[in-house]
Amino acid sequence: AQSVTQPDIHITVSEGASLELRCNYSYGATPYLFWYVQSPGQGLQLLLKYFSGDTLVQGIKGFEAEFKRSQSSFNLRKPSVHWSDAAEYFCAVDVASGGYQKVTFGTGTKLQVIP
Amino acid sequence: DGGITQSPKYLFRKEGQNVTLSCEQNLNHDAMYWYRQDPGQGLRLIYYSQIVNDFQKGDIAEGYSVSREKKESFPLTVTSAQKNPTAFYLCASSQDGYTFGSGTRLTVV
Repeated sequence: AQSVTQPDIHITVSEGASLELRCNYSYGATPYLFWYVQSPGQGLQLLLKYFSGDTLVQGIKGFEAEFKRSQSSFNLRKPSVHWSDAAEYFCAVDVASGGYQKVTFGTGTKLQVIP
Repeated sequence: DGGITQSPKYLFRKEGQNVTLSCEQNLNHDAMYWYRQDPGQGLRLIYYSQIVNDFQKGDIAEGYSVSREKKESFPLTVTSAQKNPTAFYLCASSQDGYTFGSGTRLTVV
């Protein structure tokens, strides 16, 4: 079965600093990959997705992610963090299982932004 | 605007009661899902449905039931058999990525 690992439970960065959130997956083939963001008490919002092609994908709110097949990774980056980016971020893997799409989420990384 | 509506936002349940959480979408998506979110555990899949009148158990289906009589609606019932129902419940639909509702926080009192 596929799995997703987000090794950092909590990250603190200064406003204006760069950000990288790590995500590793375990799956035999190349899955569909996603990053979602969740503000407290809210649902999840899709930031970006990778299906195939260019391994560097651009998303909303200035985020990007790079798929590295050799490392089974899909790390999320942002060059300059804003205070409004404070939230919880989830990496997700989508594979087809018995004809159905099935998504597995990582346990999330909470981002704190300090002045 | 298209989206997913979950109601109520907050729900309180007494011990031994069944409660039903509503999820409605106007995105014309075929697939719909229910997840449970607990602190530090990410999202765990309860049930999913790919088409009307069909649904499948997810990883933690015990104590829950669903129906899919209409494409737009996928209600979740938390039964008295669910031993620890206090959690944040998220409904989603999908087409090239999930669209989530804003969630229902269920508390047992």
